[in-house]
Amino acid sequence: DAGVTQSPTHLIKTRGQQVTLRCSPKSGHDTVSWYQQALGQGPQFIFQYYEEEERQRGNFPDRFSGHQFPNYSSELNVNALLLGDSALYLCASSANKGLNNQPQHFGDGTRLSIL
Amino acid sequence: RKEVEQDPGPFNVPEGATVAFNCTYSNSASQSFFWYRQDCRKEPKLLMSVYSSGNEDGRFTAQLNRASQYISLLIRDSKLSDSATYLCVVNREGKSTFGDGTTLTVKP
Repeated sequence: DAGVTQSPTHLIKTRGQQVTLRCSPKSGHDTVSWYQQALGQGPQFIFQYYEEEERQRGNFPDRFSGHQFPNYSSELNVNALLLGDSALYLCASSANKGLNNQPQHFGDGTRLSIL
Repeated sequence: RKEVEQDPGPFNVPEGATVAFNCTYSNSASQSFFWYRQDCRKEPKLLMSVYSSGNEDGRFTAQLNRASQYISLLIRDSKLSDSATYLCVVNREGKSTFGDGTTLTVKP
């Protein structure tokens, strides 16, 4: 039973570029959330997807967008990359089924470095 | 003021010690609560959910005090393998807010 899988593991980009990160949820999970974690801080909530729609959003600019596919997998897109976007990006899935408050299981993350 | 606050530590304790972490949250409408553990450069892993009635899992005990808006984690008989960062998580309407974590180092 595969857990949450993310790709790629590491990525290096330059300022102004665009990036797409991918996530496959744990089997049986229908809800995917994305987080940004800077060094020394807790994960910061970016947004959550359920039934292919963005249901909740944190305090991130519109440069951060996402998508959920019918198979529950998800993508995080970041446009016009800034140096400050360098961080570990975590995907988490849960079996919310509309309940919203189930514990989440995290993938290993994508470490994004902006040069 | 942050929505979820934790003492960053670090907590340095000897093996066998008992250590307690607290976490406070500001939104009284918060609905569910969890403790996660995160090892260096790894993903957070669910340690336990937290309930008002308190819950225990082996050496770990979690407690929620809704009136005072804090949650706690107690670790008894600390092991070297307990060294990690412990993250408090508060959920409300599908949005999860993490504290910045408390770092624990257990020494021989």
